[in-house]
Amino acid sequence: AQKITQTQPGMFVQEKEAVTLDCTYDTSDPSYGLFWYKQPSSGEMIFLIYQGSYDQQNATEGRYSLNFQKARKSANLVISASQLGDSAMYFCAMREVRGSGNTPLVFGKGTRLSVIA
Amino acid sequence: DADVTQTPRNRITKTGKRIMLECSQTKGHDRMYWYRQDPGLGLRLIYYSFDVKDINKGEISDGYSVSRQAQAKFSLSLESAIPNQTALYFCATSKGQGGGYTFGSGTRLTVV
Repeated sequence: AQKITQTQPGMFVQEKEAVTLDCTYDTSDPSYGLFWYKQPSSGEMIFLIYQGSYDQQNATEGRYSLNFQKARKSANLVISASQLGDSAMYFCAMREVRGSGNTPLVFGKGTRLSVIA
Repeated sequence: DADVTQTPRNRITKTGKRIMLECSQTKGHDRMYWYRQDPGLGLRLIYYSFDVKDINKGEISDGYSVSRQAQAKFSLSLESAIPNQTALYFCATSKGQGGGYTFGSGTRLTVV
C-alpha cells in the first residue's frame, strides 16, 4: 500500500532563506508520481510541482524544486528565497501508475511552514 | 466561474441530520474524488469515481455515501451526521491518464 510520511509538523524559516520540507514515500510499484501542494490559510489547495518516477532530472518550478532521491524514496521540496507569502501548509502526495490508470492521490499529514520577517 | 465548484462553502448541522455536499466541474474530467481534511491528519480519501458507472470506496468511507449523477456532478452524503465528521471536505477531479488534480474550494462542515 502507498504511504507518505512528512516528519516535520512545523518549520520556521527566515525571509529570503532557503528551506527544505521532507517527504518520504513507500511503494512497491516502479511507476509512480509525486506531488507537492500548498494550502494557505484561505484553505484552497494549490499545485506546486510534480516528479515522475522515471524522470531523469529533478523537477523545478520557479523557486520550487524537488530533491528526488529514488533509492532513498525521498521527495523533498526545496523553496529558495522564502517570502512571507510562503507561510502555509504543505502536502506531499503520491499516486501509482497502473495500466488501467492512476490510483488516487495519497497525501501526507503536512508541514506547516512559517516564514519570519 | 470556478472549474470545480463545491456547495455549500460552509455548513453547520445537528447530530443525526442528513446532509449532502455537492460538487460540479467544468473541466470535462472523468475522475472525481472526495477527501476530508482534519488538522494533523492531512487529506484522506472518502470515495472516488472513475466514470459515471464507477464508484469506489476510499480509506474512510464508513458513514458516507456518494452519487455520480453525471460526468460533471459528484455528491457526498452523510446519512446521519455525527460530530467527528466535522472537517474540511474537498472535491477534486482529474483526467483518466496523467495530469494533476483540480480541487474545489472546500466545504467546511461542522456537526454539533
